[in-house]
Amino acid sequence: SYDLTQPPSVSVSPGQTATITCSGDSLGGKYVSWYQQPPGQSPMLVIYEDRKRPSGIPERFSGSNSGNTATLTISGTQAMDEADFYCQAWDGGTLVFGGGTKLTVL
Amino acid sequence: QLQLQESGPGLVKSSETLSLTCTVSGDSIRSETYYWGWIRQPPGKRLQWIGTIYYSGSTYYNPSLESRLTISLDTSKNQFSLRLNSVTAADTAVYYCARQKSPGATHNWFDTWGQGTLVTVSS
Repeated sequence: SYDLTQPPSVSVSPGQTATITCSGDSLGGKYVSWYQQPPGQSPMLVIYEDRKRPSGIPERFSGSNSGNTATLTISGTQAMDEADFYCQAWDGGTLVFGGGTKLTVL
Repeated sequence: QLQLQESGPGLVKSSETLSLTCTVSGDSIRSETYYWGWIRQPPGKRLQWIGTIYYSGSTYYNPSLESRLTISLDTSKNQFSLRLNSVTAADTAVYYCARQKSPGATHNWFDTWGQGTLVTVSS
């Protein structure tokens, strides 16, 4: 089965740039979405089709996807961005999620 | 404003059937634009796609759950439902329903989620 690998945790200082990666075989040939899940809350879509932002998502959230790695970048990270982040893609008739990355804003 | 709300028993006995309903408000599940999906998250683990249904009744299931799974629509109530048979402790999870956009075979994302409901399977 297809697997998406994310780092378990990423730490960033307020105002700095956070980078969260998602790796999978030939992932660049697939469409990737990203979800933010604050503690105790439901996931929320922040990026779809690799780099598009839904209405209401701040411009500081951006995405890219190439080769075997998709990347979620959060510029000017704020304390409110602290959450778990999950990547998601579709492979072989199955919708797959990454293992999640806990973003800590120190 | 679109809202999705899961409902159903929070405790299910091992080997029995887990049944949940998602009530949609602010959109029609008969929309041709969207699909409707179920996702779950075992405690401390990653999200897992369960399955998806389209207004036509077409269903798409996670192969790992397909033999035990049924997802259905009730358009009169603007609801869709999940039934998972022969549950075990491994089925203990927070279950979410969500609206899914799928403009192409490989384009899929969930743009709105319910608040989730914890289902515990007891022995």
